[in-house]
Amino acid sequence: TQLLEQSPQFLSIQEGENLTVYCNSSSVFSSLQWYRQEPGEGPVLLVTVVTGGEVKKLKRLTFQFGDARKDSSLHITAAQPGDTGLYLCAGAGNSGGSNYKLTFGKGTLLTVNP
Amino acid sequence: NAGVTQTPKFRILKIGQSMTLQCTQDMNHNYMYWYRQDPGMGLKLIYYSVGAGITDKGEVPNGYNVSRSTTEDFPLRLELAAPSQTSVYFCASTLTSGSRSAKNIQYFGAGTRLSVL
Repeated sequence: TQLLEQSPQFLSIQEGENLTVYCNSSSVFSSLQWYRQEPGEGPVLLVTVVTGGEVKKLKRLTFQFGDARKDSSLHITAAQPGDTGLYLCAGAGNSGGSNYKLTFGKGTLLTVNP
Repeated sequence: NAGVTQTPKFRILKIGQSMTLQCTQDMNHNYMYWYRQDPGMGLKLIYYSVGAGITDKGEVPNGYNVSRSTTEDFPLRLELAAPSQTSVYFCASTLTSGSRSAKNIQYFGAGTRLSVL
C-alpha cells in the first residue's frame, strides 16, 4: 500500500496549457515537499509546505497543502517545455514519526510539448 | 560547490558479486540517506544515518549494509548482488535542527545506475 498516492502518473500536454498534479494520503503529515527530477539527475526540492491550508507560489507554480494536512496539489500555469520532468511529492512526520525521514509518492511524469 | 557526490555513475555487476557505492557530502550535514528508485515506484529509503557512528534501517534494507565513520562519507555496500537490486541509487543529505517545524531540505546526488545480470 502506497502511503502517498500521486495522480496522474503520466501527463503529456502542449505548451501554454495549465495542469494540476495531486498528492493524496490517508495519513496526516507535519510537512509535505515537492521535488522535481530531470533525467539522469537527483530530485531537487521545489517547495515545503507545513501549515494546513497553506498556499505557496513559485513563479508559474502554485502549491497547496490541504486543510487536514493529508494532501497537496501542484498547479502549473502556462506550462513550458522546461517544466518537463518527474514531479515527486514527499511527506514527513506522519504518525508522529521523524521530520527527517521522507515518504515519497511514485511521481508524476510530465511532458510539455512545444 | 560539490554538494553530494556519488560514484560510480554506472556499474554492471554479475549475480553474487559485491560492490560499494560511494557517497560524500561537503556541506557538513548530519543526516544522510540512501534511496533506491525503480521505474514508476518513486524513491524507497534503504538506510539512513543521523550522524557519524549511527545508522538505521529504512523501508527496504535487506541485501544492503552501510557505515558512517565520518560526517562526510556514507557508503552503501552490496554483499551478494541479485537481479532485484538492479535500480538507480540516490544518496542524500540534510542539516537538521531541534525544531519540529524545521524544513527538511534534502540534497541529492546525481545517482548511481546499477544493473545486476
